[in-house]
Amino acid sequence: DVKVTQSSRYLVKRTGEKVFLECVQDMDHENMFWYRQDPGLGLRLIYFSYDVKMKEKGDIPEGYSVSREKKERFSLILESASTNQTSMYLCASRKIPGLGYNEQFFGPGTRLTVL
Amino acid sequence: GIQVEQSPPDLILQEGANSTLRCNFSDSVNNLQWFHQNPWGQLINLFYIPSGTKQNGRLSATTVATERYSLLYISSSQTTDSGVYFCAVYNQAGTALIFGKGTTLSVSS
Repeated sequence: DVKVTQSSRYLVKRTGEKVFLECVQDMDHENMFWYRQDPGLGLRLIYFSYDVKMKEKGDIPEGYSVSREKKERFSLILESASTNQTSMYLCASRKIPGLGYNEQFFGPGTRLTVL
Repeated sequence: GIQVEQSPPDLILQEGANSTLRCNFSDSVNNLQWFHQNPWGQLINLFYIPSGTKQNGRLSATTVATERYSLLYISSSQTTDSGVYFCAVYNQAGTALIFGKGTTLSVSS
């Protein structure tokens, strides 16, 4: 079974702090994704990565950056956390699309509160 | 962009009842996923079903891609089925999943 893990289930940070959210997958998937989920707005893509050291902006990249130094790990960085980044953050992974490998698998999520 | 609509938005059932959740999408797609989000927020994969019918225990799903809809059937519902059910399809670029707003299911004993 595919397993995607996230470093924290709950996180509380202060405004202005630098925040790191870590995601690890154990199935040798090439693609990895970061989404945030907010009431009334649904899930929105922040960034995704095709492969190691490759990244593309999603729909809402402002205020975030990412790092993918190893294939299994994809980090989301909030350079200077703000209260409007309080949200549920979900990581996902996928094998190279095509040939029936389009299914995305999600981690358990991190509920981040910025005070 | 592709629009995904789910109905009904809310569903309340007694344990043992059956239900059908619907997902309509605005453009032709070659992929569709159904998820269950549990009370702790995790998205659990139910089906990857670009077309046809699949069954997994009490759950089954059918996608008719040519008519741009998918159905999720839950039979003999249990309290553990409660939560939010999402369908999702890929955007035109094949990168981000576009999610519907979900159907919130409450099953009482």
